[in-house]
Amino acid sequence: ETGVTQSPTHLIKTRGQQVTLRCSSQSGHNTVSWYQQALGQGPQFIFQYYREEENGRGNFPPRFSGLQFPNYSSELNVNALELDDSALYLCASSLGIQETQYFGPGTRLLVL
Amino acid sequence: ELKVEQNPLFLSMQEGKNYTIYCNYSTTSDRLYWYRQDPGKSLESLFVLLSNGAVKQEGRLMASLDTKARLSTLHITAAVHDLSATYFCAVGEVNRDDKIIFGKGTRLHILP
Repeated sequence: ETGVTQSPTHLIKTRGQQVTLRCSSQSGHNTVSWYQQALGQGPQFIFQYYREEENGRGNFPPRFSGLQFPNYSSELNVNALELDDSALYLCASSLGIQETQYFGPGTRLLVL
Repeated sequence: ELKVEQNPLFLSMQEGKNYTIYCNYSTTSDRLYWYRQDPGKSLESLFVLLSNGAVKQEGRLMASLDTKARLSTLHITAAVHDLSATYFCAVGEVNRDDKIIFGKGTRLHILP
């Protein structure tokens, strides 16, 4: 059974650019959540998708958007990148909204 | 707005000792998670607690939930060096937005 995978592993962008991060869920999981973790901080919830619909959203501006596909993989898009967007971006998949979350290895984004 | 407080934020303890990490939250929740994170790594799910009085144990770690007191504890029994990591609790907010809020984390250092 394949675990949660994320791509790319590392990314460097400049301010104002746009980025797309990808997450492949664990087999059979219909729920994907995205988190931002700044260095030395706890993860901040961005949003969650359940069966292709956004189920919950944290305090992030609209330039953070997402998508979940019919195979339950997911994308996180960030437009108009800012320096403060530099962080580790984690996705987690689960069998349902209240179930155990399995995290991917993360994507480290650096915005210059 | 849901707030999650963990204490202590840093804990250094000897191998073989017992200790407890506390997680308090400010409003009604329907789920509480405990995670472990090793330096430079992603998060590993430890426990999901869904109901008042829930208790779960895995090896030397035991988690409990008191929804009336809005308190969860993570108890470490006879600590070993391999348990050194940062431990996060996270709470699911019960409202339309369905956010998941993390505590700041407890950095646990176990001395041989």
